[in-house]
Parts: sequence; C-alpha cells; structure tokens
Amino acid sequence: DTAVSQTPKYLVTQMGNDKSIKCEQNLGHDTMYWYKQDSKKFLKIMFSYNNKELIINETVPNRFSPKSPDKAHLNLHINSLELGDSAVYFCASSQASQEILNTEAFFGQGTRLTVV
Amino acid sequence: GQNIDQPTEMTATEGAIVQINCTYQTSGFNGLFWYQQHAGEAPTFLSYNVLDGLEEKGRFSSFLSRSKGYSYLLLKELQMKDSASYLCAVVDSNYQLIWGAGTKLIIKP
Repeated sequence: DTAVSQTPKYLVTQMGNDKSIKCEQNLGHDTMYWYKQDSKKFLKIMFSYNNKELIINETVPNRFSPKSPDKAHLNLHINSLELGDSAVYFCASSQASQEILNTEAFFGQGTRLTVV
Repeated sequence: GQNIDQPTEMTATEGAIVQINCTYQTSGFNGLFWYQQHAGEAPTFLSYNVLDGLEEKGRFSSFLSRSKGYSYLLLKELQMKDSASYLCAVVDSNYQLIWGAGTKLIIKP
C-alpha cells in the first residue's frame, strides 16, 4: 500500500499547454505539500495545505494552483507551461503541528515534468 | 531570510566514516530532519533531532547544537548503497519544513 502516490511519474508536454499532477495520501495526515526539485537538486516548497489554510510560497508563479477536493488529495494544476517549469515535482504529507513535531514528511515518488 | 547550508558534494571510501554538516538560520526552530534521497527517487526519513546532543540509529547518527544552529549526520561503515544525496531540513516557527539543497555523497570502493 503506497502511502503517498502521485501520477503521472513522467510528463512530457509542449510549451503553453495546461497540465495537472495528482496526489493522494492514505496516511490520514492533515497537511499536504508540493515541492519542486530543479536540476540543482534544491527542494523548494511550493505550497502547503491543510484543511484550514493554504500557504503559498510567494515566489511561485500564479500559473501554478493547488486544488484539494478533500483532505486526502492535493492536485497541482499548471497553466501555460514554460521551459523553466521542467523539474521533478514531489507531493508529500505530514502531521506536524504544535503537539506533534517529529512526524516525518512522506513523499510521493515524484513526477518528472519536461516541457519542450 | 531563512537559510540552510550544506556542502554540495562529498566523497568517501567504502568502510570509512563520513560527517555531513548542516548549518541553519531560520525563523524559529521546532526540530531538524535528515533525509536520504537516491537518484531519481523520493526523499526518505533518516532522523529527527529537537534537543541538543547525539541521536544514534544503527550506522547513522545525527547531532544537534541549537545554540550554534548546527547539525551533522554521521555515517559509519560506509556501504556502496549509501551513495545518495542527504538533505537537512528544519521545522520553523510555522511548522513548515525548510530544506537545504542537499549533499551528494559519493562512495568509492
């Protein structure tokens, strides 16, 4: 049973297209995340979302938008794709809070997005 | 701003010991994680420190000094499968994970 699953694993698309990446977690966590890992392997937070609050990294273009139909899902929609969007996108979930600090983040296997 | 620094790359020999350092400057501190990431795979949890001192778990140990904003990951009896990137991440005052860029560890026979 996969704890955090994201699809697709590979995505090749042309500039200007709109695409979505899906993420689901079966851990019962309240918080889910989207990360971007670029060619330099730097893992950057894009969004964190729980059932109360969406926190957006201000450096993320508004072409990127998270959609959460329920607590177990956080999908990533990307409009008007650009070459610089090529990267690996990781979904993750955790239960970190004031009461539970040491809960690790569980990651999906990543989606390698290539924009041509 | 928030900043986490790690060496970009390190090389070590199979069977040896290696220490990977991490220094951080964050808005608040609620713990520090070390993750391992093999090429093309997702990061996986290694350790968590919130109090000063050394936490040992098998061949891997992690140390924290909050006053110095410093942590290290110590890997003993290195094996070829330990070749990976090692990511340091700090939980800030908003319970968000702030990530370092990772240290690529190359193990040579």
